[in-house]
Amino acid sequence: GAVVSQHPSWVICKSGTSVKIECRSLDFQATTMFWYRQFPKQSLMLMATSNEGSKATYEQGVEKDKFLINHASLTLSTLTVTSAHPEDSSFYICSARNIRTGELFFGEGSRLTVL
Amino acid sequence: SQQGEEDPQALSIQEGENATMNCSYKTSINNLQWYRQNSGRGLVHLILIRSNEREKHSGRLRVTLDTSKKSSSLLITASRAADTASYFCATDRGGGNKLTFGTGTQLKVEL
Repeated sequence: GAVVSQHPSWVICKSGTSVKIECRSLDFQATTMFWYRQFPKQSLMLMATSNEGSKATYEQGVEKDKFLINHASLTLSTLTVTSAHPEDSSFYICSARNIRTGELFFGEGSRLTVL
Repeated sequence: SQQGEEDPQALSIQEGENATMNCSYKTSINNLQWYRQNSGRGLVHLILIRSNEREKHSGRLRVTLDTSKKSSSLLITASRAADTASYFCATDRGGGNKLTFGTGTQLKVEL
């Protein structure tokens, strides 16, 4: 079964609203989680590294005020897309690193559609 | 960071044939990993090869790594229709799982 859960798996929202996506490690603790974005038939682009208890590290070109990341516990990171616009429509995937083993696990992804 | 390139972008073969996908990257790496993604789904880790390794096997999978050419290949032998998916290579420069993904190969295995 899945060891990293993302919720919601899909969401449709109106332009201008904010959407929160959760990434949860189910049976391990993760001080580090990663958020990726994937456009149709394209590769995954790393958006940011989420660090438990501290600020996220964003990749160049990713607006931190647009994509808010909170990693408040060892099993949960959230990505909030603020004031979403149609160009934010994408597939968002998280991964979490097992603090004990170093293994990396990916979530099933969350598809965001902004109307 | 720049992504790696994979070729071919798309590959269509018959069941039972072998499928070979190639990946090239630009920087020095700690390890290189291959992932599979079914349409609209998350990623499944297939195999990891470290920078000091040249070849690795796992079931029907064979991965090679040539650090001098900054390239890797994934061979799937005796392919099955269920192998139909996108395959991505990903490089880890620092060993901390901060991955840079290649452009991917869409594999279609037909009956």
